[in-house]
Amino acid sequence: GQNIDQPTEMTATEGAIVQINCTYQTSGFNGLFWYQQHAGEAPTFLSYNVLDGLEEKGRFSSFLSRSKGYSYLLLKELQMKDSASYLCAVMDSNYQLIWGAGTKLIIKP
Amino acid sequence: GAVVSQHPSWVICKSGTSVKIECRSLDFQATTMFWYRQFPKQSLMLMATSNEGSKATYEQGVEKDKFLINHASLTLSTLTVTSAHPEDSSFYICSARDGTGVYEQYFGPGTRLTVT
Repeated sequence: GQNIDQPTEMTATEGAIVQINCTYQTSGFNGLFWYQQHAGEAPTFLSYNVLDGLEEKGRFSSFLSRSKGYSYLLLKELQMKDSASYLCAVMDSNYQLIWGAGTKLIIKP
Repeated sequence: GAVVSQHPSWVICKSGTSVKIECRSLDFQATTMFWYRQFPKQSLMLMATSNEGSKATYEQGVEKDKFLINHASLTLSTLTVTSAHPEDSSFYICSARDGTGVYEQYFGPGTRLTVT
C-alpha cells in the first residue's frame, strides 16, 4: 500500500531551526510537495521537489532523497507565525497526491 | 495569480437538507478539480477528482449519490451534500490544477459545514 509518515507534533523555540521529516512508500513518484496549513484554513504551497537535493526558498528549504524515500522541510529563524501544520504529499504514478497526516509545529517564545 | 475561491466559507444546515458548495478558479482554467474533506486534527482526505465536462471519479468509500459533484466549466465545480447528517459536518476544501507545468494544486479557503 501507499504510505506517508511524518511526526505528529514538534515543538521549537522562536528564532531556532527545526527539521520536519517525511518518509514515503508510494506506487511511483512524480514529486513531493510540502504545504503549510494554519488551523481552520486551507493548505498553502511551500515547495516541490522532484529531483534529489536541497531546494532553498528564503527561510524554508526542502530536501529530497528518492532512493531513501525521504524528504525533510527545514525552517530557519522560526517565527511565531510559523506555528501551523506542515503536510507532506507525494504525487504517485497516476499523478494523484498521497497525503501525510501532517506535523503540528508549536513555536514557543 | 492562481486564486481559488469557495463559497460559502461556512454553512449551518439542518439534518436532511442539502447544501451546495461552489469552487471557482478566478484567474486560470482548471482542467482538474479536487474535493477534500478534513476532520479536526486529521489530514486531508480526497473525496473525488473531477475533470471539466466529465463525471467525477470518487474515492473508495465516498458515496457518489450523496456527494454530487458537477464540473460544468473550466472555472467552476460544485459539491452538493445531499440529505446531510451530523456526521457530514466537516471542513470541505477544493483545489484546482491548471494542467500546465508542475502539478501543483491551488487550494480554496475551505467551507466549514455544520449539520445540526
